[in-house]
Amino acid sequence: DVKVTQSSRYLVKRTGEKVFLECVQDMDHENMFWYRQDPGLGLRLIYFSYDVKMKEKGDIPEGYSVSREKKERFSLILESASTNQTSMYLCASSLGQGIIADTQYFGPGTRLTVL
Amino acid sequence: AQSVAQPEDQVNVAEGNPLTVKCTYSVSGNPYLFWYVQYPNRGLQFLLKYITGDNLVKGSYGFEAEFNKSQTSFHLKKPSALVSDSALYFCAVGNTNAGKSTFGDGTTLTVKP
Repeated sequence: DVKVTQSSRYLVKRTGEKVFLECVQDMDHENMFWYRQDPGLGLRLIYFSYDVKMKEKGDIPEGYSVSREKKERFSLILESASTNQTSMYLCASSLGQGIIADTQYFGPGTRLTVL
Repeated sequence: AQSVAQPEDQVNVAEGNPLTVKCTYSVSGNPYLFWYVQYPNRGLQFLLKYITGDNLVKGSYGFEAEFNKSQTSFHLKKPSALVSDSALYFCAVGNTNAGKSTFGDGTTLTVKP
Protein backbone atom coordinates (compact mmCIF):
# COMPACT_ATOMS: atom_id res chain seq x y z
CA ASP A 1 0.00 0.00 0.00
CA VAL A 2 1.07 3.55 -0.69
CA LYS A 3 1.93 5.45 2.41
CA VAL A 4 2.02 9.22 2.57
CA THR A 5 3.10 10.68 5.88
CA GLN A 6 3.02 14.25 7.12
CA SER A 7 5.32 15.50 9.82
CA SER A 8 2.66 16.81 12.20
CA ARG A 9 -1.06 16.22 12.74
CA TYR A 10 -1.52 19.47 14.66
CA LEU A 11 0.61 22.60 14.63
CA VAL A 12 0.19 25.97 16.36
CA LYS A 13 2.32 28.89 15.21
CA ARG A 14 2.41 32.64 15.73
CA THR A 15 1.88 35.31 13.09
CA GLY A 16 5.10 36.05 11.24
CA GLU A 17 6.79 32.73 11.99
CA LYS A 18 8.32 30.65 9.22
CA VAL A 19 6.53 27.30 9.05
CA PHE A 20 7.68 24.07 7.42
CA LEU A 21 5.26 21.26 6.60
CA GLU A 22 6.92 18.04 5.52
CA CYS A 23 5.49 15.22 3.42
CA VAL A 24 7.08 11.88 2.57
CA GLN A 25 5.81 9.13 0.27
CA ASP A 26 7.24 5.64 0.07
CA MET A 27 6.08 4.44 -3.37
CA ASP A 28 8.51 6.15 -5.71
CA HIS A 29 5.75 8.37 -7.11
CA GLU A 30 6.71 11.07 -9.60
CA ASN A 31 4.02 13.59 -8.66
CA MET A 32 3.42 15.29 -5.34
CA PHE A 33 0.85 17.90 -4.35
CA TRP A 34 -0.01 20.29 -1.53
CA TYR A 35 -3.63 21.30 -0.91
CA ARG A 36 -5.44 23.26 1.72
CA GLN A 37 -8.91 22.19 2.81
CA ASP A 38 -11.36 24.72 4.22
CA PRO A 39 -15.06 24.14 5.00
CA GLY A 40 -17.25 24.91 1.99
CA LEU A 41 -14.26 25.52 -0.27
CA GLY A 42 -13.22 21.93 -0.94
CA LEU A 43 -9.59 21.21 -1.77
CA ARG A 44 -7.56 23.99 -3.30
CA LEU A 45 -4.21 23.23 -4.90
CA ILE A 46 -1.31 25.28 -3.61
CA TYR A 47 1.67 23.77 -5.46
CA PHE A 48 2.59 20.57 -7.21
CA SER A 49 5.74 18.90 -8.44
CA TYR A 50 6.32 16.45 -11.29
CA ASP A 51 9.93 15.70 -10.52
CA VAL A 52 12.77 16.48 -8.20
CA LYS A 53 13.56 20.21 -8.09
CA MET A 54 10.49 20.89 -10.24
CA LYS A 55 7.50 22.88 -9.03
CA GLU A 56 4.38 24.35 -10.53
CA LYS A 57 2.00 26.87 -9.01
CA GLY A 58 -1.49 25.70 -8.27
CA ASP A 59 -4.58 27.82 -7.77
CA ILE A 60 -3.57 29.61 -4.55
CA PRO A 61 0.26 29.82 -4.32
CA GLU A 62 0.45 33.29 -2.73
CA GLY A 63 2.17 33.23 0.64
CA TYR A 64 3.59 29.74 0.10
CA SER A 65 6.68 28.16 -1.39
CA VAL A 66 7.77 24.55 -1.82
CA SER A 67 10.90 22.46 -1.99
CA ARG A 68 11.53 19.05 -3.53
CA GLU A 69 15.17 18.07 -3.15
CA LYS A 70 14.49 14.33 -3.06
CA LYS A 71 11.86 12.34 -4.93
CA GLU A 72 10.13 11.08 -1.81
CA ARG A 73 9.92 14.39 0.06
CA PHE A 74 7.89 17.51 -0.69
CA SER A 75 7.96 20.43 1.72
CA LEU A 76 5.52 23.32 2.01
CA ILE A 77 6.90 26.55 3.44
CA LEU A 78 4.96 29.47 4.85
CA GLU A 79 7.56 32.26 4.77
CA SER A 80 5.66 34.48 7.21
CA ALA A 81 2.57 32.82 8.63
CA SER A 82 -0.65 34.80 8.78
CA THR A 83 -3.96 34.08 10.47
CA ASN A 84 -5.68 33.51 7.11
CA GLN A 85 -3.38 30.53 6.58
CA THR A 86 -5.06 28.68 9.44
CA SER A 87 -6.33 25.56 7.68
CA MET A 88 -6.01 21.82 7.12
CA TYR A 89 -3.09 21.06 4.81
CA LEU A 90 -3.13 17.86 2.78
CA CYS A 91 -0.24 16.31 0.89
CA ALA A 92 -0.79 13.81 -1.90
CA SER A 93 1.23 11.81 -4.38
CA SER A 94 0.48 10.01 -7.65
CA LEU A 95 2.37 7.68 -9.92
CA GLY A 96 2.70 10.05 -12.87
CA GLN A 97 4.55 8.48 -15.82
CA GLY A 98 2.88 10.77 -18.31
CA ILE A 99 -0.61 10.44 -16.91
CA ILE A 100 -0.81 13.58 -14.88
CA ALA A 101 -4.40 13.25 -13.73
CA ASP A 102 -3.81 9.96 -11.93
CA THR A 103 -5.15 8.54 -8.68
CA GLN A 104 -3.84 10.57 -5.77
CA TYR A 105 -2.89 9.10 -2.40
CA PHE A 106 -3.29 11.45 0.52
CA GLY A 107 -1.57 11.89 3.83
CA PRO A 108 -3.55 12.29 7.07
CA GLY A 109 -3.31 16.08 6.99
CA THR A 110 -1.80 18.76 9.20
CA ARG A 111 -4.18 21.10 10.99
CA LEU A 112 -2.31 24.40 11.26
CA THR A 113 -3.48 27.17 13.54
CA VAL A 114 -1.82 30.57 13.25
CA LEU A 115 -2.39 32.83 16.24
CA ALA B 1 -10.02 25.71 -17.52
CA GLN B 2 -11.47 22.62 -15.89
CA SER B 3 -14.07 22.68 -13.16
CA VAL B 4 -16.26 20.44 -11.03
CA ALA B 5 -19.64 21.14 -9.50
CA GLN B 6 -21.15 19.21 -6.63
CA PRO B 7 -24.56 20.86 -6.42
CA GLU B 8 -25.54 19.47 -3.02
CA ASP B 9 -23.66 20.44 0.13
CA GLN B 10 -25.54 17.79 2.07
CA VAL B 11 -27.30 14.52 1.20
CA ASN B 12 -29.37 12.67 3.78
CA VAL B 13 -30.61 9.12 3.27
CA ALA B 14 -32.01 6.35 5.43
CA GLU B 15 -29.99 3.19 5.94
CA GLY B 16 -30.89 0.57 3.34
CA ASN B 17 -32.09 3.13 0.79
CA PRO B 18 -30.19 3.86 -2.43
CA LEU B 19 -27.96 6.93 -2.44
CA THR B 20 -26.76 9.29 -5.15
CA VAL B 21 -24.14 12.02 -4.82
CA LYS B 22 -24.10 14.28 -7.85
CA CYS B 23 -21.15 15.62 -9.82
CA THR B 24 -20.92 17.53 -13.08
CA TYR B 25 -17.71 18.60 -14.76
CA SER B 26 -16.20 20.77 -17.44
CA VAL B 27 -12.87 19.91 -19.10
CA SER B 28 -11.18 20.07 -22.50
CA GLY B 29 -10.70 16.76 -24.21
CA ASN B 30 -11.36 13.40 -22.63
CA PRO B 31 -12.01 13.58 -18.89
CA TYR B 32 -10.36 11.60 -16.14
CA LEU B 33 -12.91 11.45 -13.31
CA PHE B 34 -12.43 10.44 -9.69
CA TRP B 35 -14.36 10.06 -6.46
CA TYR B 36 -12.65 10.32 -3.09
CA VAL B 37 -14.08 9.90 0.41
CA GLN B 38 -13.02 11.48 3.69
CA TYR B 39 -14.22 9.79 6.86
CA PRO B 40 -14.26 11.90 10.05
CA ASN B 41 -10.74 12.71 11.25
CA ARG B 42 -9.19 10.69 8.43
CA GLY B 43 -7.37 11.57 5.22
CA LEU B 44 -8.93 11.34 1.77
CA GLN B 45 -9.20 7.89 0.25
CA PHE B 46 -9.62 6.96 -3.39
CA LEU B 47 -12.98 5.32 -4.20
CA LEU B 48 -13.10 4.88 -7.97
CA LYS B 49 -12.13 6.43 -11.29
CA TYR B 50 -13.17 6.64 -14.92
CA ILE B 51 -10.50 6.92 -17.59
CA THR B 52 -12.00 5.09 -20.55
CA GLY B 53 -14.18 2.08 -21.34
CA ASP B 54 -17.41 1.03 -19.66
CA ASN B 55 -19.48 4.00 -18.50
CA LEU B 56 -20.37 2.24 -15.24
CA VAL B 57 -17.41 2.10 -12.92
CA LYS B 58 -17.34 -0.02 -9.77
CA GLY B 59 -15.23 0.93 -6.80
CA SER B 60 -14.57 0.28 -3.14
CA TYR B 61 -17.20 -0.38 -0.45
CA GLY B 62 -19.95 -1.21 -2.99
CA PHE B 63 -19.94 2.22 -4.62
CA GLU B 64 -20.29 2.77 -8.34
CA ALA B 65 -20.43 5.77 -10.63
CA GLU B 66 -21.87 6.35 -14.07
CA PHE B 67 -20.07 8.45 -16.65
CA ASN B 68 -22.52 10.35 -18.86
CA LYS B 69 -20.72 12.25 -21.60
CA SER B 70 -23.75 14.07 -22.98
CA GLN B 71 -24.72 15.39 -19.55
CA THR B 72 -21.07 15.82 -18.42
CA SER B 73 -21.92 14.03 -15.21
CA PHE B 74 -20.29 11.43 -13.02
CA HIS B 75 -22.76 10.69 -10.21
CA LEU B 76 -21.76 8.39 -7.35
CA LYS B 77 -24.26 5.71 -6.38
CA LYS B 78 -24.81 2.85 -3.99
CA PRO B 79 -27.84 0.54 -4.01
CA SER B 80 -28.15 0.24 -0.24
CA ALA B 81 -26.64 2.84 2.10
CA LEU B 82 -24.94 2.00 5.39
CA VAL B 83 -24.56 4.25 8.42
CA SER B 84 -20.80 3.77 8.01
CA ASP B 85 -21.00 5.44 4.57
CA SER B 86 -21.52 8.77 6.34
CA ALA B 87 -18.58 10.92 5.22
CA LEU B 88 -17.48 13.80 3.01
CA TYR B 89 -17.30 12.92 -0.68
CA PHE B 90 -15.24 14.73 -3.31
CA CYS B 91 -15.48 14.51 -7.08
CA ALA B 92 -12.39 15.43 -9.14
CA VAL B 93 -11.64 15.91 -12.84
CA GLY B 94 -8.48 16.11 -14.89
CA ASN B 95 -6.98 15.10 -18.21
CA THR B 96 -3.54 14.53 -19.71
CA ASN B 97 -3.15 18.19 -20.61
CA ALA B 98 -4.40 19.82 -17.46
CA GLY B 99 -1.42 19.04 -15.29
CA LYS B 100 -3.56 18.48 -12.22
CA SER B 101 -6.94 17.36 -10.97
CA THR B 102 -9.55 19.87 -9.89
CA PHE B 103 -11.71 18.96 -6.90
CA GLY B 104 -15.30 19.89 -6.15
CA ASP B 105 -16.33 21.53 -2.90
CA GLY B 106 -17.47 18.24 -1.41
CA THR B 107 -20.82 16.73 -0.39
CA THR B 108 -21.52 15.57 3.14
CA LEU B 109 -23.43 12.31 3.13
CA THR B 110 -25.36 11.40 6.26
CA VAL B 111 -26.96 7.98 6.51
CA LYS B 112 -29.45 7.65 9.36
CA PRO B 113 -30.38 4.34 10.98
